Amino acid sequence: AQTVTQSQPEMSVQEAETVTLSCTYDTSESDYYLFWYKQPPSRQMILVIRQEAYKQQNATENRFSVNFQKAAKSFSLKISDSQLGDAAMYFCAYRFYSSGSARQLTFGSGTQLTVLP
Amino acid sequence: ETGVTQSPTHLIKTRGQQVTLRCSSQSGHNTVSWYQQALGQGPQFIFQYYREEENGRGNFPPRFSGLQFPNYSSELNVNALELDDSALYLCASSYDSLYNSPLHFGNGTRLTVT
Repeated sequence: AQTVTQSQPEMSVQEAETVTLSCTYDTSESDYYLFWYKQPPSRQMILVIRQEAYKQQNATENRFSVNFQKAAKSFSLKISDSQLGDAAMYFCAYRFYSSGSARQLTFGSGTQLTVLP
Repeated sequence: ETGVTQSPTHLIKTRGQQVTLRCSSQSGHNTVSWYQQALGQGPQFIFQYYREEENGRGNFPPRFSGLQFPNYSSELNVNALELDDSALYLCASSYDSLYNSPLHFGNGTRLTVT
């Protein structure tokens, strides 16, 4: 079974600074997707960034980028120029790729990010 | 474009009762999945419906059941409620279960079982 581990229950960062959230996962599959979701107090899960395992290039979305190390099964999220609106719970998630499978996401336990003014 | 909407927002039930949670998919989406998020934890996959049929299920007992309607809206039913069923229930929709279109989540229903 696939597992996703986030070892940092809480993190804080000064506004405009950079922070990195860690995630490791365990899988025996070679084709899969990895995600970072943000959950603000509104409770809605918002997709931050996505990485396909077959791509060697790390995904980037504006101030958000990932460091994907497939051999080490590591998938960290870097937030640059942190803003107050970035404060939220961040979840790392895994999905096995198969043309016939359900779109089941396996989530980690989350990292609560606080942005200090 | 209308997003994913869930109702009710909050719900309080007594142990042993039954509950129905509702989800309206984002316009054009034909796949819906449900997740349970206990306090302080990540969401756990309950099941997924694609074109009105269940096509995937997580490690949840049969008292968790669902429906998807022709308009692709969905219901999650939980029978014989237990205290541990207290959680945030999230619905997510997407266009197609076979391809990598992103999931769009609703704001969830907070269920409290007393």
